[in-house]
Amino acid sequence: EAQVTQNPRYLITVTGKKLTVTCSQNMNHEYMSWYRQDPGLGLRQIYYSMNVEATDKGDVPEGYKVSRKEKRNFPLILESPSPNQTSLYFCASSSGFPPYNEQFFGPGTRLTVL
Amino acid sequence: KNEVEQSPQNLTAQEGEFITINCSYSVGISALHWLQQHPGGGIVSLFMLSSGKKKHGRLIATINIQEKHSSLHITASHPRDSAVYICAVLNTGNQFYFGTGTSLTVIP
Repeated sequence: EAQVTQNPRYLITVTGKKLTVTCSQNMNHEYMSWYRQDPGLGLRQIYYSMNVEATDKGDVPEGYKVSRKEKRNFPLILESPSPNQTSLYFCASSSGFPPYNEQFFGPGTRLTVL
Repeated sequence: KNEVEQSPQNLTAQEGEFITINCSYSVGISALHWLQQHPGGGIVSLFMLSSGKKKHGRLIATINIQEKHSSLHITASHPRDSAVYICAVLNTGNQFYFGTGTSLTVIP
C-alpha cells in the first residue's frame, strides 16, 4: 500500500531535549516536505527536499533541521525544542519536479513541549 | 503576511446544496492544490491545478491565473463532505503556502 508513515504519532517532551520525528514513504517520490499546523495559522512549510542531499528552507525553518540521505526517508530534528514548537506536524511526499502532482500526507505527529 | 486567503472561513449547508469555496493568492505560482482535512486530522489531496478546470465526481476546481483566484465547488453536497478544505499554492521558488482553511458542515 502506497503510504507516508510518521513516528511517533504522539510525543510529550521537555524543553531542550533533542528529538527526531521520522518520515518514510514507499512511493519512490522525489519531493518530501515537513509542515506544522497551528490553530488560526493553518499549515506552514518548515523544510522541503527536492531529492537526496537537496534540502531547502520553507516558511518557518527556525529551530528545525532535516536531512535526506536516502530517497525514502526525511527525518525532522528538533535539537533544542521549545514550547513554541508545540504543534501538529505533517510529512508529505510528491512525485515530479517541481511537485506538480498531488501530495501524499502522513498521519501527523502531535508534539507537546513542556 | 497572508499569501493565500480563503473564504468563507466557516460554511454550513443543507444536504444537496451547491457549495463554493474561494481562494485568492498574491504570489506568482506554479500550481495550486486543494486539500481536504477530515475531522480525524488526516489530509488528502483533492486537486492540483495549473490552469483551467478539473472535475472529480461531485467536486470541481477552477483557477483563473490572471485574477489569482481559484474556486472549489461541491455539487449535491452530502454530510460525508463535512471537513476542512484547504487551498495551497506552490510558488515559483518551490515553496508551499496555505490558506487557513474553510470548515464545511453539511446537515442532513
